[in-house]
Amino acid sequence: QKEVEQDPGPLSVPEGAIVSLNCTYSNSAFQYFMWYRQYSRKGPELLMYTYSSGNKEDGRFTAQVDKSSKYISLFIRDSQPSDSATYLCAMSTSTGGGNKLTFGTGTQLKVEL
Amino acid sequence: ETGVTQSPTHLIKTRGQQVTLRCSSQSGHNTVSWYQQALGQGPQFIFQYYREEENGRGNFPPRFSGLQFPNYSSELNVNALELDDSALYLCASSLRGTSNEQFFGPGTRLTVL
Repeated sequence: QKEVEQDPGPLSVPEGAIVSLNCTYSNSAFQYFMWYRQYSRKGPELLMYTYSSGNKEDGRFTAQVDKSSKYISLFIRDSQPSDSATYLCAMSTSTGGGNKLTFGTGTQLKVEL
Repeated sequence: ETGVTQSPTHLIKTRGQQVTLRCSSQSGHNTVSWYQQALGQGPQFIFQYYREEENGRGNFPPRFSGLQFPNYSSELNVNALELDDSALYLCASSLRGTSNEQFFGPGTRLTVL
């Protein structure tokens, strides 16, 4: 079993829809949770960064962390064709220094006109 | 502020050869991490460098090695290339001690024939 599980999709939605992307994890030591967006053949771009449980909002994006369920989500409101990309969740433990990131496989999202 | 840069963009090698990939960290960042991303997968942690020393390593064989220089730039060296080494190699920089946020470069796409 992988430490981080993510549905690879593809997920296809109409423009303007609310998108929900999710990851589950098995390592209870994970404390930091991130969402990256990756366009085809490009490097990942950091979208959201959260620590421990709770919600964080940034523009059209909302990240939720539920540590009791080992479940994180990213919501995208008013989705646009430019949001079409692969979304990667990533996590790290609190070790007091630089940490490695453990990624999910990524969910491919397509927002159609 | 300058972002993370990587060179070369693309590289084609044959099995058994050696390769060196380069990374310049984001301005002000002192930690560099390297990841391997196979097609359709999330990035896998190779190792991290801080103060010119390896600071954590993933499940990769010793033929994967690295360096960090006083200006925080870094190299990834892979010896005795195998077909399975074909992947996108990503460099990420961060500021140790303040956060776990890692910012990625565009990657180097390595093809091993």
